[in-house]
Amino acid sequence: TQLLEQSPQFLSIQEGENLTVYCNSSSVFSSLQWYRQEPGEGPVLLVTVVTGGEVKKLKRLTFQFGDARKDSSLHITAAQPGDTGLYLCAGVYTGNQFYFGTGTSLTVIP
Amino acid sequence: NAGVTQTPKFQVLKTGQSMTLQCAQDMNHEYMSWYRQDPGMGLRLIHYSVGAGITDQGEVPNGYNVSRSTTEDFPLRLLSAAPSQTSVYFCASKRDFNPYGYTFGSGTRLTVV
Repeated sequence: TQLLEQSPQFLSIQEGENLTVYCNSSSVFSSLQWYRQEPGEGPVLLVTVVTGGEVKKLKRLTFQFGDARKDSSLHITAAQPGDTGLYLCAGVYTGNQFYFGTGTSLTVIP
Repeated sequence: NAGVTQTPKFQVLKTGQSMTLQCAQDMNHEYMSWYRQDPGMGLRLIHYSVGAGITDQGEVPNGYNVSRSTTEDFPLRLLSAAPSQTSVYFCASKRDFNPYGYTFGSGTRLTVV
């Protein structure tokens, strides 16, 4: 059962453009996390959002948790080639139950 | 700190062979998990452990065994490899409280021929 849907699945943009990646579910999560994965490596945690409506910023990355805690978005401002990678959202359902989305593969072209 | 260390990095097995994927963490994390990552399928949980001596099944446990004799080590055993087990395997650990996130190893790319 795929609880988390990410969109778009693939995204190719020019350096300097802005983009938004979405993570949606019909389930309510106690928290949601975003990871970035580079080729040949494991995912690396970027942020955890816990409160409905919460917004967190990490340099040019802005993360938002939906008011109902069912969805989240990741916005990147002025994308750079170093942002290239696979972005994964993970909903924490109860306790330690993690459900990962299928990911958004981002390519930033110099 | 080394974090989560997985070995080997790459492995090719013949159908029916068995092997153990090694995982060790040095962060004193209580919670450890094994995931497999396949194209279009995301990360799927195979087995997990909430502490030494305690393990449980995840979403896709068939064909795999685990044990947790120490806090640091969490090996994954493939009993009789099948082509369907061709995948990239990730070990991950975390503190046993929500909302701490996972620290992942760098993965093992397994091909079963």
